[in-house]
Formats: sequence, structure tokens, C-alpha cells
Amino acid sequence: AQTVTQSQPEMSVQEAETVTLSCTYDTSESNYYLFWYKQPPSRQMILVIRQEAYKQQNATENRFSVNFQKAAKSFSLKISDSQLGDTAMYFCASYTGTASKLTFGTGTRLQVTL
Amino acid sequence: EAGVAQSPRYKIIEKRQSVAFWCNPISGHATLYWYQQILGQGPKLLIQFQNNGVVDDSQLPKDRFSAERLKGVDSTLKIQPAKLEDSAVYLCASSFEAGVYEQFFGPGTRLTVL
Repeated sequence: AQTVTQSQPEMSVQEAETVTLSCTYDTSESNYYLFWYKQPPSRQMILVIRQEAYKQQNATENRFSVNFQKAAKSFSLKISDSQLGDTAMYFCASYTGTASKLTFGTGTRLQVTL
Repeated sequence: EAGVAQSPRYKIIEKRQSVAFWCNPISGHATLYWYQQILGQGPKLLIQFQNNGVVDDSQLPKDRFSAERLKGVDSTLKIQPAKLEDSAVYLCASSFEAGVYEQFFGPGTRLTVL
């Protein structure tokens, strides 16, 4: 079975600073996908970034980048130049062909302050 | 492009009552998902439809929950009778096809069972 663990329930960062959210996962499959989703207060959950396990290069989307450590089964999200609009719950998720569904972690609540 | 629509946004009911949620996915999306998100947890897949057929309902409590997607477009999720532990946000999502296509989420329905 797939498991996704987010060990940081809450984090805080000042505007313009950089923050890293941690995620570890467990799967026995060789082909899988990893995701970070953002859920702002009272708004829809949206996809932030995705990583294919077969790709060695870390994914990047503007201010968001990941550090994918396959051997350690670690998938952290780095947010650079944090903005007030980044305040949200962030969920790490995995997808494998066998399970054929997203498995989410428990989330990290990020607060960006002035 | 219109997003995933859900109604109602909020619902308060007494235990043992019944409730229904409605979801209209993004036009052209073949796959529709219903998730349950209990406070402090990540979303958990309840049921996945491919067009109007069920792909995965392994985590749907079938003694009280039911869902349908007639004509392969919009969908309803019903709980009858509700229990206190059903208090959660019910998220609907859709994707172009099943698999690792990006899932687009609706705003959710927050259910409180008293």
C-alpha cells in the first residue's frame, strides 16, 4: 500500500523568504508520480507541481521547485520569494499504476506573514 | 473555462438524516472523483467514475453511501443515514481521462452532522 507522510503540521514564513515543506512516501513500485497540491482557505485545491519518478531532474514551476530524492523516498517542496497568496494547506500526494488513485498526506498549513 | 461546480457549499443535518451532494465536472472530462476530507486529514477517494461507469468504489461505505453519474456528466453523492463521523468536506474532482491527468477540484461541500 502507498503511504504519504507530511511531518510538519504547520509552518510559518515571512514574505519574500524561502520555505521548504517536507514529504516522504512509501511505494514498492518503480513507476510512480508525485504531486504537491495547494488548498487556499475556502478555495479550490489546485495542482502546484508534479514529478515523474523516472525523471532525475527536479521539477520547477516559477517560484516552486521540488527536491526529489528517490533513494530516500523524499519529495520536498521549496517556495522561493514567498507571497501572502501562498498561505494555504499544502498536500503531498502520490500516484501509482497499481493503486490508480491519488494518495494524499495529512497536509502542512503554511502561513506567510508580513 | 468553467471549473468544477458543487452544491450546496454547506449543509448541517442531524444524525440519521439523509443528504445529497451534486457535482458538475469540467465539460469534456471523462473521469469524475468524489473525495472525503475529514478535518486534519488529506482527501480520501470514495469513488471514481469513468464516464458513467464505476472504476473504483473500494473505500465507499456502501451501507450508507451511494453515488451515481447518469449520462456520464454530473454526479450525485448521497448519504443515508448520516452518522456523526460523516462530518467532513466532500470534494468533487474531474480529469480529462483516468490516470495521471491533472485533477481539477471543486470548492467542496462542508457537511456537519449533529
